[in-house]
Amino acid sequence: SQKIEQNSEALNIQEGKTATLTCNYTNYSPAYLQWYRQDPGRGPVFLLLIRENEKEKRKERLKVTFDTTLKQSLFHITASQPADSATYLCALNNQAGTALIFGKGTTLSVSS
Amino acid sequence: GAVVSQHPSWVICKSGTSVKIECRSLDFQATTMFWYRQFPKQSLMLMATSNEGSKATYEQGVEKDKFLINHASLTLSTLTVTSAHPEDSSFYICSARGTGNTIYFGEGSWLTVV
Repeated sequence: SQKIEQNSEALNIQEGKTATLTCNYTNYSPAYLQWYRQDPGRGPVFLLLIRENEKEKRKERLKVTFDTTLKQSLFHITASQPADSATYLCALNNQAGTALIFGKGTTLSVSS
Repeated sequence: GAVVSQHPSWVICKSGTSVKIECRSLDFQATTMFWYRQFPKQSLMLMATSNEGSKATYEQGVEKDKFLINHASLTLSTLTVTSAHPEDSSFYICSARGTGNTIYFGEGSWLTVV
């Protein structure tokens, strides 16, 4: 079965720096990969979707890359702010393509 | 944007009783909804896929007789935890598929079984 690994449970950076989060998968190549933000006690909020034939996607201060050879996606937040502090979840479609499965998430803390 | 609403946000029930959680898509129709469970500091674990007008598809290890799912309309899916026990205490989250492959999540429902 597919395993999704997000490189670290916690990441601490200073305000203004770029945060880089990693998501690796081990099995089949997903048709698309998504990144979500989750605040404590809340449901996940969709951020970006990148398809297997796309190398990079941007949205404001967010950038996602997708390398199907390395089986890896990188999620970047540039000019980070304390308000970016949250848990970021990587998700991809299950093999049947019917549902999303999630990594454990990386909790980002941005200090001022 | 698309909104998914869950109710109740939190519920406390006695061991052995049943509790129902509702998931509604407020401004779009969702033929497919999903139910997840999340324990503290853990990933969202997919429990089942709910299809309007048909039986839900459960993930391996999820007891379908314990977690009853009904998707009676294009905007409503319900999860009933039957004969709840303390180990069922968790954060239950639903989601619905919108246009394209975008999945919208509800705010989650905290269940505490005492």
